[in-house]
Amino acid sequence: ETGVTQTPRHLVMGMTNKKSLKCEQHLGHNAMYWYKQSAKKPLELMFVYSLEERVENNSVPSRFSPECPNSSHLFLHLHTLQPEDSALYLCASSQGGRGAGSGNTIYFGEGSWLTVV
Amino acid sequence: QKEVEQDPGPLSVPEGAIVSLNCTYSNSAFQYFMWYRQYSRKGPELLMYTYSSGNKEDGRFTAQVDKSSKYISLFIRDSQPSDSATYLCAMRRTSYDKVIFGPGTSLSVIP
Repeated sequence: ETGVTQTPRHLVMGMTNKKSLKCEQHLGHNAMYWYKQSAKKPLELMFVYSLEERVENNSVPSRFSPECPNSSHLFLHLHTLQPEDSALYLCASSQGGRGAGSGNTIYFGEGSWLTVV
Repeated sequence: QKEVEQDPGPLSVPEGAIVSLNCTYSNSAFQYFMWYRQYSRKGPELLMYTYSSGNKEDGRFTAQVDKSSKYISLFIRDSQPSDSATYLCAMRRTSYDKVIFGPGTSLSVIP
């Protein structure tokens, strides 16, 4: 059982739809992430939030809009997506801070499978 | 040159075999190294975590880091069909830095 839960697990949407992906972490972490995973490609970091502040945006198109209302919740709002945006979207969390402990590693949710038609 | 390279496979081995999974990297500043296992249609789960060079063992799994060669390995002893998954290596320079993932190696353990 994962400490990071994502909903919905599967989503099919048309190119004109607006939908949102939701992520909640129960690990007490202070950093949250959105990753995109497409077939045969490395994980692509999309957004990073640390202490509810967006600290990284890796040139993601504006049709993807993240929201982090608090340190436990993260959303990814989707609108006017393209078929090439179909992928597995993974939420993750970590505990930022110094030290070499495994607490600095990233823990993933089960992912939301998105299909854009 | 990609920052992290990993043979995508697929790698197919008989049950009970010793499996060796490898990654090479180009940035000598990487200090934190991780292996994730990802089952089909699931999120990656952390398998092993090591800091700097050396070996770390956990049950049937051994992670090895050779910073001088910029090469990391994951060994699986007595492989089981339940080990069939994609294995992702990952690394970062500091505990604040972003994690860089390899593309993953697909492993299939045949009963």
